[in-house]
Amino acid sequence: DSGVTQTPKHLITATGQRVTLRCSPRSGDLSVYWYQQSLDQGLQFLIQYYNGEERAKGNILERFSAQQFPDLHSELNLSSLELGDSALYFCASSAREAFNEQFFGPGTRLTVL
Amino acid sequence: AQKITQTQPGMFVQEKEAVTLDCTYDTSDQSYGLFWYKQPSSGEMIFLIYQGSYDEQNATEGRYSLNFQKARKSANLVISASQLGDSAMYFCAMSPGGYNNDMRFGAGTRLTVKP
Repeated sequence: DSGVTQTPKHLITATGQRVTLRCSPRSGDLSVYWYQQSLDQGLQFLIQYYNGEERAKGNILERFSAQQFPDLHSELNLSSLELGDSALYFCASSAREAFNEQFFGPGTRLTVL
Repeated sequence: AQKITQTQPGMFVQEKEAVTLDCTYDTSDQSYGLFWYKQPSSGEMIFLIYQGSYDEQNATEGRYSLNFQKARKSANLVISASQLGDSAMYFCAMSPGGYNNDMRFGAGTRLTVKP
């Protein structure tokens, strides 16, 4: 158990819908990262938050957004969902922003029908 | 371009033997971090080992060791005394400049441990 929690574990929804994925980092970790893992794209970094502030953006679509709350949990919002958004979404956290490992949550498997 | 290459899509190893999973990387940064993660069939990503570019000694964590050859830009994972539970996908990753928010992952190697 990495100490990072993600809910829900599975999510099935229809095209055009909006969903919210939730992540709680390890106790004491200020940085939260979101990743998308799909068969064709592999594991891709989406966005990072550090202590409530957006720090970096990767390959995140404009239809996707995220935020980190004062209690440090984070939410990833996916809207106008398309079939291609079906993937495993991971949240990870780290104690520092650099030169240390990230610990991953169990992931949320999103299926868009 | 910052890139991670894992050339072995699949590997087989006999239980109790050692196995090396290859990873090469491409970066112009002097400072960077290298990581290995394990992803079992259940899907979670499990951190295994970390090596900083300025670390002179190879990292070790239990049965895992990272064979770091800076000049060749390789960071191979060595698993000693393989166990059936080691069967999984293994991902090599790099943080260019050391910053976690630009982590690049390789395509992965699927390791199967035979009894």
